[in-house]
Amino acid sequence: EVQLVESGGGLVQPGRSLRLSCAASGFTFDDYAMHWVRQVPGKGLEWVSGISWNSDNKGYADSVKGRFSISRDNAKNSLYLQMNSLRPEDTALYYCAKDRVGGTYYHMDVWGKGTTVTVSS
Amino acid sequence: DIQMTQSPSTLSASVGDRVTITCRASQSISYWLAWYQQKPGKAPNLLIYDVSNLETGVPSRFSGSGSETEFTLSISSLQPDDFATYYCLQYKQSPRTFGPGTKVEIK
Repeated sequence: EVQLVESGGGLVQPGRSLRLSCAASGFTFDDYAMHWVRQVPGKGLEWVSGISWNSDNKGYADSVKGRFSISRDNAKNSLYLQMNSLRPEDTALYYCAKDRVGGTYYHMDVWGKGTTVTVSS
Repeated sequence: DIQMTQSPSTLSASVGDRVTITCRASQSISYWLAWYQQKPGKAPNLLIYDVSNLETGVPSRFSGSGSETEFTLSISSLQPDDFATYYCLQYKQSPRTFGPGTKVEIK
């Protein structure tokens, strides 16, 4: 069974940093691209970032470009999101998601349960 | 960036109704479109990818169509389990962008 388990969320002050992790199991991790998607409670989905299977291709939403950095460790079956210069508007539930196809990042087929990030003083 | 819009934002329907949700892209996205269903407190669930391909395990009452800039998600006969919020996603260009969502409510 494919499983994605996010961790690393929490309460952080504006301007500080946080690193999210996603542990993957049940599939060949290095065959697939991965994504981060966030959702403010009661609001819609926002794609945050994607990374290809070999880390050669990465993309970011305009709202996080230059502040967030996606990475992966295929040896550890893990995906990461380094979030710097956090703002109150970054407060959301952050989902890790597997891409449905291999190669670069397209669309998501399996999602984790999410980890909550709250940016507040 | 490609902007996605959805209509209606809320839809009230009864069990057994045929329901159609529209998604529009600000520029052509060819067939690079997916649909997701999300229930309260749960992660989204992939229904359809590449405009009209049904994800494994998704009931056949769901279908997708369209091309270029206008797309539809249809539910042929609404079931109690289908009351949820539906989102479209374009993956033609980065950044990927979701539509704002359509909430399907019980009439």
